[in-house]
Amino acid sequence: EAQVTQNPRYLITVTGKKLTVTCSQNMNHEYMSWYRQDPGLGLRQIYYSMNVEVTDKGDVPEGYKVSRKEKRNFPLILESPSPNQTSLYFCASSSSGGPREQFFGPGTRLTVL
Amino acid sequence: KNQVEQSPQSLIILEGKNCTLQCNYTVSPFSNLRWYKQDTGRGPVSLTIMTFSENTKSNGRYTATLDADTKQSSLHITASQLSDSASYICVVSGSYNTDKLIFGTGTRLQVFP
Repeated sequence: EAQVTQNPRYLITVTGKKLTVTCSQNMNHEYMSWYRQDPGLGLRQIYYSMNVEVTDKGDVPEGYKVSRKEKRNFPLILESPSPNQTSLYFCASSSSGGPREQFFGPGTRLTVL
Repeated sequence: KNQVEQSPQSLIILEGKNCTLQCNYTVSPFSNLRWYKQDTGRGPVSLTIMTFSENTKSNGRYTATLDADTKQSSLHITASQLSDSASYICVVSGSYNTDKLIFGTGTRLQVFP
């Protein structure tokens, strides 16, 4: 089944404790992206990747890191999480060429205390 | 500033009724417009994608229209079902970077029996 998976789905952590949210897709997509969704706001892009070893900042990259060492994986790293990073996070992927449909993962709900 | 605005913010209808959701955008230059359905706590799922040259596209009981001149789109849901209860998100992509998606804040639809 074609899908985007994220782990963990739920995470409660404390300020300053490094964490990684994994994202993996099995559709051989070149493009991958991370978004956060907060109440009253539309999804906002954190980072995106056009292909392996090619990443760039989105609209709200502060406090986040990413890497794209393999085509299928695009982990999101929070080196020192803070309470304002409490949010619902989505990973998405799409193929290249034309108005490409983005497929979203199930989401990771992160709470930073 | 590139923006996507949706109305109404929320809508309640009875099962079997039709409804129309609105989307206005200021993204320029324009590439394509998408409608997504997002169930509570889950990732968005694509309903339609329309490019500049398309003014209507259907997906089952969902019909999207696009007026690129007035920069408006609508999503019409016919014969609503309880499973249509969700948030509907309008998303616009500009032609300079078709991977850059600008999200509206969504319309929360509730369908009651």
